[in-house]
Amino acid sequence: RKEVEQDPGPFNVPEGATVAFNCTYSNSASQSFFWYRQDCRKEPKLLMSVYSSGNEDGRFTAQLNRASQYISLLIRDSKLSDSATYLCVVNRYNFNKFYFGSGTKLNVKP
Amino acid sequence: DGGITQSPKYLFRKEGQNVTLSCEQNLNHDAMYWYRQDPGQGLRLIYYSQIVNDFQKGDIAEGYSVSREKKESFPLTVTSAQKNPTAFYLCASSIGETTGELFFGEGSRLTVL
Repeated sequence: RKEVEQDPGPFNVPEGATVAFNCTYSNSASQSFFWYRQDCRKEPKLLMSVYSSGNEDGRFTAQLNRASQYISLLIRDSKLSDSATYLCVVNRYNFNKFYFGSGTKLNVKP
Repeated sequence: DGGITQSPKYLFRKEGQNVTLSCEQNLNHDAMYWYRQDPGQGLRLIYYSQIVNDFQKGDIAEGYSVSREKKESFPLTVTSAQKNPTAFYLCASSIGETTGELFFGEGSRLTVL
């Protein structure tokens, strides 16, 4: 079983739509959680860390459910510029290795 | 500005040649990582280092070698033993604590001719 699993998509949505991605992780010892954004042929860039209480940054909201071992990302009022691949990343406690999902591709259409 | 510098950005190599990819960071991070990404795939860990003069194999270390002689530098050598080296290589660093995020360089795109 993969450490981190994501639906590869693509998610094709119109501008202004709300879209949600989920990600599941297999190891309950996972300690830190992140969403990264990766544009085509570029390096991943941190979108947001995910905290146990959930957190919001503008149009983006991240949630963590430790009991079910999943992380979610909600994007409201989608923009064309949100088109990218979104990577779910977890870091296991005392191990300092980062595990990546294969990414979920988002296409926002005019 | 602090960051991670990878070079070269693009590299072409003939089969049978070794090539070394450079990675330098000025973030004062303890941990450094090398990942490989193939088209349409996620990132796979090649090697990582949590401290100077120490490094560990990741999930796909065969055909690669690294060194960590200085905190700032973590070069990756792609040897001729790597059967399918054409890929996008990403170097990253983190502060080394469990909650610190990864910072990435811009990547090196290696093509074997």
